[in-house]
Amino acid sequence: DGGITQSPKYLFRKEGQNVTLSCEQNLNHDAMYWYRQDPGQGLRLIYYSQIVNDFQKGDIAEGYSVSREKKESFPLTVTSAQKNPTAFYLCASSSRPTIGRHYGYTFGSGTRLTVV
Amino acid sequence: KQEVTQIPAALSVPEGENLVLNCSFTDSAIYNLQWFRQDPGKGLTSLLLIQSSQREQTSGRLNASLDKSSGRSTLYIAASQPGDSATYLCAVSHHTGTASKLTFGTGTRLQVTL
Repeated sequence: DGGITQSPKYLFRKEGQNVTLSCEQNLNHDAMYWYRQDPGQGLRLIYYSQIVNDFQKGDIAEGYSVSREKKESFPLTVTSAQKNPTAFYLCASSSRPTIGRHYGYTFGSGTRLTVV
Repeated sequence: KQEVTQIPAALSVPEGENLVLNCSFTDSAIYNLQWFRQDPGKGLTSLLLIQSSQREQTSGRLNASLDKSSGRSTLYIAASQPGDSATYLCAVSHHTGTASKLTFGTGTRLQVTL
């Protein structure tokens, strides 16, 4: 079955540590995204990538970094510069729109990051 | 800057009742609008997508409408069931190249009681 796999499901980070969240898709989607979800707030876009070796900042990119070396993979690193990293992180991908078709959006099951 | 608002924030209804969830957005220059479902601690599942040129979409007991000029969308759930209990999120998209950036509302938490 095609889909998006995020790992780990739960992650604990000590103060000052960098951690990397994994996101892999086998949907052959061009675009991939990272969103952050906090209680009482909507999902907010961190970074997105339209194609391999290309990515752009979203609304809250400070303290995060990404890479897109392969079409299937879009890992997110939460750096020590991110002052409030405790949140639920969701990875997503979407297909290229063609005539008569829309952006098909698929989400992973999420990673819950907690600072200890 | 696009802002998306969902009302009500929470809703509790008895099983079998029909219900309406509301979504409003401030910038009508959207590519499409999507409704998602999220179960506690889980990712999002796409329910319905309405293109900006469309007025409504239906899937089973779900019907979503879009009035782009007034910046409103509604999700209608018929004959609600306990399994419909979840948070429902509305999101509008703005496309850039091959990507579709979503702006989300804060969601409506629905509980359907027996």
